[in-house]
Amino acid sequence: DVKVTQSSRYLVKRTGEKVFLECVQDMDHENMFWYRQDPGLGLRLIYFSYDVKMKEKGDIPEGYSVSREKKERFSLILESASTNQTSMYLCASSFRGVQPQHFGDGTRLSIL
Amino acid sequence: GESVGLHLPTLSVQEGDNSIINCAYSNSASDYFIWYKQESGKGPQFIIDIRSNMDKRQGQRVTVLLNKTVKHLSLQIAATQPGDSAVYFCAENESTDKLIFGTGTRLQVFP
Repeated sequence: DVKVTQSSRYLVKRTGEKVFLECVQDMDHENMFWYRQDPGLGLRLIYFSYDVKMKEKGDIPEGYSVSREKKERFSLILESASTNQTSMYLCASSFRGVQPQHFGDGTRLSIL
Repeated sequence: GESVGLHLPTLSVQEGDNSIINCAYSNSASDYFIWYKQESGKGPQFIIDIRSNMDKRQGQRVTVLLNKTVKHLSLQIAATQPGDSAVYFCAENESTDKLIFGTGTRLQVFP
């Protein structure tokens, strides 16, 4: 079975802090994705990556950056956390050109 | 608890009945569709998928129907069980590797 692991289930940070969310997958997938999930809005794509050191903006990249130094690991960075970034963050991975995407269990991030 | 289910349409069914969850998709050019199940406190879990060259696909207790004419997708769950209680949402491919997700439907199963 595909395993996508997000390092934290719950995280509380303060406004202005730099926040790192980590995601690791064990299936040698080329593609990795970061989404946020908010009530009534569904999943919205923040950033994705097709390969190591490669990144593409999704639909809502403002206030975020990403890092993919190794194939199995994709990090989401909140450069200066704000209260409107309080959300559930979901990481997913897939083979290139192949669906479906497989998800981790999410990180519920609260910015105070 | 999870707030992902707030503001969602809800389908309530009795245990043992069949459930039908509907989804309208947006892009007539989409050629791949997925149903996901998300239980409280967990990430979305793949249930079943279908390509646009098909109009029906069956899995274990689940069937997906695709009507391209009206851009409609449905998920049928046979003999619904308490463990089926979750939020269900559909997704369509925006491109080969990207998906667009619906907002979901909450399924509640009561005894």
